[in-house]
Amino acid sequence: EAGVAQSPRYKIIEKRQSVAFWCNPISGHATLYWYQQILGQGPKLLIQFQNNGVVDDSQLPKDRFSAERLKGVDSTLKIQPAKLEDSAVYLCASSLDRGYNEQFFGPGTRLTVL
Amino acid sequence: AQSVTQLDSQVPVFEEAPVELRCNYSSSVSVYLFWYVQYPNQGLQLLLKYLSGSTLVKGINGFEAEFNKSQTSFHLRKPSVHISDTAEYFCAVFTGGGNKLTFGTGTQLKVEL
Repeated sequence: EAGVAQSPRYKIIEKRQSVAFWCNPISGHATLYWYQQILGQGPKLLIQFQNNGVVDDSQLPKDRFSAERLKGVDSTLKIQPAKLEDSAVYLCASSLDRGYNEQFFGPGTRLTVL
Repeated sequence: AQSVTQLDSQVPVFEEAPVELRCNYSSSVSVYLFWYVQYPNQGLQLLLKYLSGSTLVKGINGFEAEFNKSQTSFHLRKPSVHISDTAEYFCAVFTGGGNKLTFGTGTQLKVEL
């Protein structure tokens, strides 16, 4: 069974530039999550999708971050414009359904903002 | 609101020695508890979970954890560690009210020869 795929694996940008991350969840998983993991901290949920609808985006900085999940499969997370404090690993995860189902994580995208 | 505290940021241990990684949570409602492991440059992988039933939970790679409701703890243990266990370990709590996983800050386990 293929796991959660993410690209790119690494990205370096200047502040105020824009960047986009892509995620392909495990086939058949209805729920998709984007997490931000700052160095030395645990992952923090940014946004949760159920199929192609947003369930929770309460911790997403909506003035600069946006995300979409078209057709309920792949998802993209965008940052525009980026700030220094956005430097982090962005993790995508998926699960069969909402709730306490096991979440399967991708390898992450390491973003460095200079 | 739920929260998770991992008391040790780093735990060094010699190979074949036992190890315990501590996790305490706070929540006013029923909880589901998880331990995830993160190897360098990889995503998180589920080690074990407590949903209900027996308070002693066994997971992959010889790890186990015990849910203690009175002490609001969910400590992770392994009787004999291997070099390959070197990784970061995250405790996480899920409550129905919050409907999301809340992670601790992680414990870096370093196994030495």
